[in-house]
Amino acid sequence: DVKVTQSSRYLVKRTGEKVFLECVQDMDHENMFWYRQDPGLGLRLIYFSYDVKMKEKGDIPEGYSVSREKKERFSLILESASTNQTSMYLCASRMPGPQETQYFGPGTRLLVL
Amino acid sequence: AQSVTQPDIHITVSEGASLELRCNYSYGATPYLFWYVQSPGQGLQLLLKYFSGDTLVQGIKGFEAEFKRSQSSFNLRKPSVHWSDAAEYFCAVGAGAGGTSYGKLTFGQGTILTVHP
Repeated sequence: DVKVTQSSRYLVKRTGEKVFLECVQDMDHENMFWYRQDPGLGLRLIYFSYDVKMKEKGDIPEGYSVSREKKERFSLILESASTNQTSMYLCASRMPGPQETQYFGPGTRLLVL
Repeated sequence: AQSVTQPDIHITVSEGASLELRCNYSYGATPYLFWYVQSPGQGLQLLLKYFSGDTLVQGIKGFEAEFKRSQSSFNLRKPSVHWSDAAEYFCAVGAGAGGTSYGKLTFGQGTILTVHP
């Protein structure tokens, strides 16, 4: 079974703090994704990575950056957290190829005070 | 640009009743279509997907979906709902054959399903 894990289920941070969200997958997947999920808006893509050290902006990259130094790990960074970044963050991974399925982690619920 | 609309934000059904969740997509060519389910506090789990061929797709947990190109729809159905089906359901579209999207998906807004005993 594919396993995608996220470092924290719940996180509380202060405005202005630098926040790291970690995602690890154990299936040697090349593609990894970070989404944020907000009620009524569904999932929106923040960044994705199609290989180690490669990254592409998604639909809402402002205020975020990412790092992929190893194939199994994809980090989302909030350089200076703001209250409007309070959300659920979901990581996903997949093999390359248009018919491949994205597998999701359990999510990190982030509250920025 | 591709987009997905799930017209129903919240649906309530009685246990044992049939279910249909609507999904309409916008995409310039033949899309790849997915339905995911999210139980409370959990990540997303794939229910089923459509790439080509038979337009009626069977998935896990007794769900099925039908691709209708003329209506740009991919509605999810289940003949008899169980209380454990209460969850949020997401429809998603990805670039089809010949697309170069690295597997990016565009998700709908989600439909919350409540099941009454």
